[in-house]
Amino acid sequence: GAVVSQHPSRVICKSGTSVKIECRSLDFQATTMFWYRQFPKQSLMLMATSNEGSKATYEQGVEKDKFLINHASLTLSTLTVTSAHPEDSSFYICSAGRDRRGILPETQYFGPGTRLLVL
Amino acid sequence: SQKIEQNSEALNIQEGKTATLTCNYTNYSPAYLQWYRQDPGRGPVFLLLIRENEKEKRKERLKVTFDTTLKQSLFHITASQPADSATYLCAHTTGGSYIPTFGRGTSLIVHP
Repeated sequence: GAVVSQHPSRVICKSGTSVKIECRSLDFQATTMFWYRQFPKQSLMLMATSNEGSKATYEQGVEKDKFLINHASLTLSTLTVTSAHPEDSSFYICSAGRDRRGILPETQYFGPGTRLLVL
Repeated sequence: SQKIEQNSEALNIQEGKTATLTCNYTNYSPAYLQWYRQDPGRGPVFLLLIRENEKEKRKERLKVTFDTTLKQSLFHITASQPADSATYLCAHTTGGSYIPTFGRGTSLIVHP
């Protein structure tokens, strides 16, 4: 158990367009999911915490109007990169912790990542 | 702010040897540390979690130690294999927050 999927795995888009990335927990429920960004040979940088049924919590420096997050259900969170520009090209990874009846999850289960290239 | 430091240089070892990776943290002790494996172009995969009151944790060929005095965790892979070649990430979580802070990772290359 504890499988997280992401779709698409790779996407190429033109500058100025919007791209939506889906993150699903396949065999468990996750009240909270996380979105990370990773540049080559760099660490995972937390962008935002996605909360089911409420607004996402963004990390300092992350534009909430540019990176729209929706946590529609206990198994699905989406990240939309609006008006994408070449500098948004990166590897986007989501993760989720298995809900444990009010206890904060410890281990994060990561999706396979989405490679975004903006031309 | 808390910093997680991992050796940025790749670790090259021969197959069959024990690989030892280091994770150092500054400031306050984490409630627990986690180790993840990340292959190129893939998301991290959870390996082991060790709490601040634990000295050592094992799982098959993997062993993690936690020294709060040295502010350091060591990650060992015994009888290493070429398939163990990957980047290994250390993640630190403090009490009261379940959001981990990740190090940059150390690349391990096991030569046949």
